[in-house]
Amino acid sequence: EDKVVQSPLSLVVHEGDTVTLNCSYEVTNFRSLLWYKQEKKAPTFLFMLTSSGIEKKSGRLSSILDKKELFSILNITATQTGDSAVYLCAVEPLRGATNKLIFGTGTLLAVQP
Amino acid sequence: ETGVTQSPTHLIKTRGQQVTLRCSSQSGHNTVSWYQQALGQGPQFIFQYYREEENGRGNFPPRFSGLQFPNYSSELNVNALELDDSALYLCASSPTSEETQYFGPGTRLLVL
Repeated sequence: EDKVVQSPLSLVVHEGDTVTLNCSYEVTNFRSLLWYKQEKKAPTFLFMLTSSGIEKKSGRLSSILDKKELFSILNITATQTGDSAVYLCAVEPLRGATNKLIFGTGTLLAVQP
Repeated sequence: ETGVTQSPTHLIKTRGQQVTLRCSSQSGHNTVSWYQQALGQGPQFIFQYYREEENGRGNFPPRFSGLQFPNYSSELNVNALELDDSALYLCASSPTSEETQYFGPGTRLLVL
């Protein structure tokens, strides 16, 4: 059965700290891995990763995928209170024409001033 | 803002009732997916519609059904509501069934 596991489940840091969020997965016929940020309701898209070892960056956020070890990390440097959210990792299996996403339970990040 | 809208924002129903949730996809997107997110959990895939046809379904019973209209907006219908149906229902649209999905703000359903 396809599975996505995120760790830690929750994390409390202070502004300015650097955090690393982990996502491991088991999926038949991997297509891509995606990271989303969920603050109140709508998950907002951060990154899509399809190739191993290629870092994607957006400001203070970066992410990388290891398809051999079946995991991805999301790094946030110089954290700010606005980074407080649930970070969701999702995997998209290559299965027919449906791009359904399989999500982990998320990591709740709280950034204290 | 992703351009994906959902209505209503909140809804309270009682067990056994039926509910219809609505989603307007982002302009130019012909694929709509629905997810259920229970409290403290990640979203679970319900089904996907592509050009008005169901294009894949997750592990949900038949009382969860949907529609997609010619303008690519979509409805999720749930019959015979159960307490465990209480959740945030998210709609996501994508330009095709093979591209990144963008989520709407969701509808929070409470079943009493």
